[in-house]
Amino acid sequence: GESVGLHLPTLSVQEGDNSIINCAYSNSASDYFIWYKQESGKGPQFIIDIRSNMDKRQGQRVTVLLNKTVKHLSLQIAATQPGDSAVYFCAENSGGGADGLTFGKGTHLIIQP
Amino acid sequence: EAQVTQNPRYLITVTGKKLTVTCSQNMNHEYMSWYRQDPGLGLRQIYYSMNVEVTDKGDVPEGYKVSRKEKRNFPLILESPSPNQTSLYFCASSVSAFFTGELFFGEGSRLTVL
Repeated sequence: GESVGLHLPTLSVQEGDNSIINCAYSNSASDYFIWYKQESGKGPQFIIDIRSNMDKRQGQRVTVLLNKTVKHLSLQIAATQPGDSAVYFCAENSGGGADGLTFGKGTHLIIQP
Repeated sequence: EAQVTQNPRYLITVTGKKLTVTCSQNMNHEYMSWYRQDPGLGLRQIYYSMNVEVTDKGDVPEGYKVSRKEKRNFPLILESPSPNQTSLYFCASSVSAFFTGELFFGEGSRLTVL
């Protein structure tokens, strides 16, 4: 099947800097994308989503950008804090069906003091 | 508090000994799903349920069973566990059967099969 992947398995940033986590997807039929955050020892937690008719969506300190031309998704976190340390997954739903999401393998974001 | 609750959180068992991992959600969600998470493979869907008495296979259903007799509960059954089912398991739920993407996950159940 189609796969969703991430460019970097680990990203290390200084506290207070902005972080950018990238994701490449290969299913051109995907119309809905989601970012999840998974802290150590916990289940994934929804951060933000975006539909394919949009190219940008902003939340609190987070922005998701979608470039359908190159099938690329990114998550920007502004002014990273220690609590942002986690594994971040992108996921796609290729048609809104009930068979769920295809998850990427994750990027581990490390915040350095 | 809205939550998805899984039990047990940790379990060590032996090959062939039947076990059940329970999952319960208190949000009146229609959609529930089970995932396993393995290093290097990410989250893979085992089974999902769109509503009571409706279940379907995900990407890796072999060796697992589920049931959805009540809306709030979605147990995962391993009839004859094998070592390759050693994994971290997550139950998740969503408000709608027509998937929104905002899955609510449980805290996970770490299973080791010897």
